[in-house]
Amino acid sequence: NAGVTQTPKFQVLKTGQSMTLQCAQDMNHEYMSWYRQDPGMGLRLIHYSVGAGITDQGEVPNGYNVSRSTTEDFPLRLLSAAPSQTSVYFCASSYKTDRRSSYNSPLHFGNGTRLTVT
Amino acid sequence: RKEVEQDPGPFNVPEGATVAFNCTYSNSASQSFFWYRQDCRKEPKLLMSVYSSGNEDGRFTAQLNRASQYISLLIRDSKLSDSATYLCVVIPTGANNLFFGTGTRLTVIP
Repeated sequence: NAGVTQTPKFQVLKTGQSMTLQCAQDMNHEYMSWYRQDPGMGLRLIHYSVGAGITDQGEVPNGYNVSRSTTEDFPLRLLSAAPSQTSVYFCASSYKTDRRSSYNSPLHFGNGTRLTVT
Repeated sequence: RKEVEQDPGPFNVPEGATVAFNCTYSNSASQSFFWYRQDCRKEPKLLMSVYSSGNEDGRFTAQLNRASQYISLLIRDSKLSDSATYLCVVIPTGANNLFFGTGTRLTVIP
């Protein structure tokens, strides 16, 4: 298993450009999520999904869109990049250890995407 | 109030020292707890889950105090390779989200 695969590893954008960060997992995890990590701020949830066709907003969703057409893929779209979106982005997935619980298995993270917006 | 609060440090300790980190959480219905380790410019990786009765993995001990709503991580006999940022994670019961602390930076000095 490859686990969680994120691409690209690095990206530089100009203000106003759009792009998609790709995330794929091959573990059949229901839950997938996107975080951004900034110095002193920790990991902040952008969007998450609990299954194909279902997405929801996290703590900092503005400026980002997601879709979940398959269990495996959860792309993150930046609609019009801004310098404030310069950050490290992580995709992560998990599952429920039993049907009545939260998505309480440990998160599996991708390697991250370092995005710079100039 | 933040869901999870963690002392950012930094903690600078000599090799062989014992060091402890705490992480407090605000939701008393929280169900699952973890400690992650993150090396510089890398993704977080699971260090250990935290069980109600406390658990140990080699030099690492994790404990949960539900009454005071905090979890702790104790590292004994610190090694240079323990230098990293340690993140606590809390999952409230029934929630679809989990909450990260901001991380505690540990540097072990020769």
